[in-house]
Amino acid sequence: DAKTTQPPSMDCAEGRAANLPCNHSTISGNEYVYWYRQIHSQGPQYIIHGLKNNETNEMASLIITEDRKSSTLILPHATLRDTAVYYCIVRVSQGAQKLVFGQGTRLTINP
Amino acid sequence: GAVVSQHPSWVICKSGTSVKIECRSLDFQATTMFWYRQFPKQSLMLMATSNEGSKATYEQGVEKDKFLINHASLTLSTLTVTSAHPEDSSFYICSAGGGRAANEQYFGPGTRLTVT
Repeated sequence: DAKTTQPPSMDCAEGRAANLPCNHSTISGNEYVYWYRQIHSQGPQYIIHGLKNNETNEMASLIITEDRKSSTLILPHATLRDTAVYYCIVRVSQGAQKLVFGQGTRLTINP
Repeated sequence: GAVVSQHPSWVICKSGTSVKIECRSLDFQATTMFWYRQFPKQSLMLMATSNEGSKATYEQGVEKDKFLINHASLTLSTLTVTSAHPEDSSFYICSAGGGRAANEQYFGPGTRLTVT
């Protein structure tokens, strides 16, 4: 699986949009971009994934650059409960594949 | 999404004893389960991959005789930490995939192990 690079930490004000970047310059054509988050002392939670088109669900939006070398996860209206470590992972989607976690971004939402 | 449970959520044991952690997929059949370990302030590290009915595949550096994994059914995998030592104290997390969750993984809530 391709490696990803994320900033170690970010802060965001409650109610504002949180934009979390991820670089994956060595991504292959058949690899998807997945985002998970881990709230303290809990198991990771799936957020969203995409291949090349932008995606949106009830939790977040995922913007993938045209060359697919980077992406941004957007939490449109961050709340205190969004404070967590966010992991960007690239992987082949088909089948139950092991996930290789990097260090992620520790996002702190401030009141 | 699919639901994965772990039991117990936390356990304290004495050095030298063995501890079993269960991982269950509650509403789907998991052909593949993964076991991760996470030390404080660190990321998740994959320990092993288990497929129902076959032997687990361990990551490099993980002792298979110390961390026994059994995936005897499509809804249950167990991790047994044998002869536990204080350095085995960690947060153990399982994930499951397969069945209707064929392309995804769903994580359990984790088990906090403390060895005294």
